[in-house]
Amino acid sequence: EPEVTQTPSHQVTQMGQEVILRCVPISNHLYFYWYRQILGQKVEFLVSFYNNEISEKSEIFDDQFSVERPDGSNFTLKIRSTKLEDSAMYFCASSDPGANVLTFGAGSRLTVL
Amino acid sequence: DAKTTQPPSMDCAEGRAANLPCNHSTISGNEYVYWYRQIHSQGPQYIIHGLKNNETNEMASLIITEDRKSSTLILPHATLRDTAVYYCIVRPYYGGATNKLIFGTGTLLAVQP
Repeated sequence: EPEVTQTPSHQVTQMGQEVILRCVPISNHLYFYWYRQILGQKVEFLVSFYNNEISEKSEIFDDQFSVERPDGSNFTLKIRSTKLEDSAMYFCASSDPGANVLTFGAGSRLTVL
Repeated sequence: DAKTTQPPSMDCAEGRAANLPCNHSTISGNEYVYWYRQIHSQGPQYIIHGLKNNETNEMASLIITEDRKSSTLILPHATLRDTAVYYCIVRPYYGGATNKLIFGTGTLLAVQP
């Protein structure tokens, strides 16, 4: 069964460092999303992306965040200057051309020290 | 904010049917009911979705009341691996990148041996 692949599975970084989380969506999917989940809290929407541009972003997705689809397969989330409160699981998702079902990756755990 | 109400937790005996309720009294005519689950901090996993008719797939059945104000997810023969947080989400029918999933707190289903 097709799946969304995320790397790294776990990253530890120092506060203030830049982090890039990578995702390989399902090949025929056109819509891409990033979510995050702080330990013990809800899964929160960050951003959606379609046709090489951001479709929607939440209040969480401020200027320290950016997304990019640098080639035909990868979808990345960059956090420019990490803060302690950025420690969380980050989930990438993609959806089919009808955008009816989102398929999520296994997540990348980010720990900021 | 999530537009659904679910009990915070439920127990179910292994091998028995698990019936997870969800209230969505403000659902609009163009909104589907989606169910996802999250097993211990893994990525959310799609289960099933429906508009107004009952739906069944290899994982579960979805029963939607005639007025569409509530629904029940049925896992016909629960196993220990079904222990997870189950999310009931309403989302517009026409899809599109702006139609993100908004996760609430869900129901923690504990399947007991």
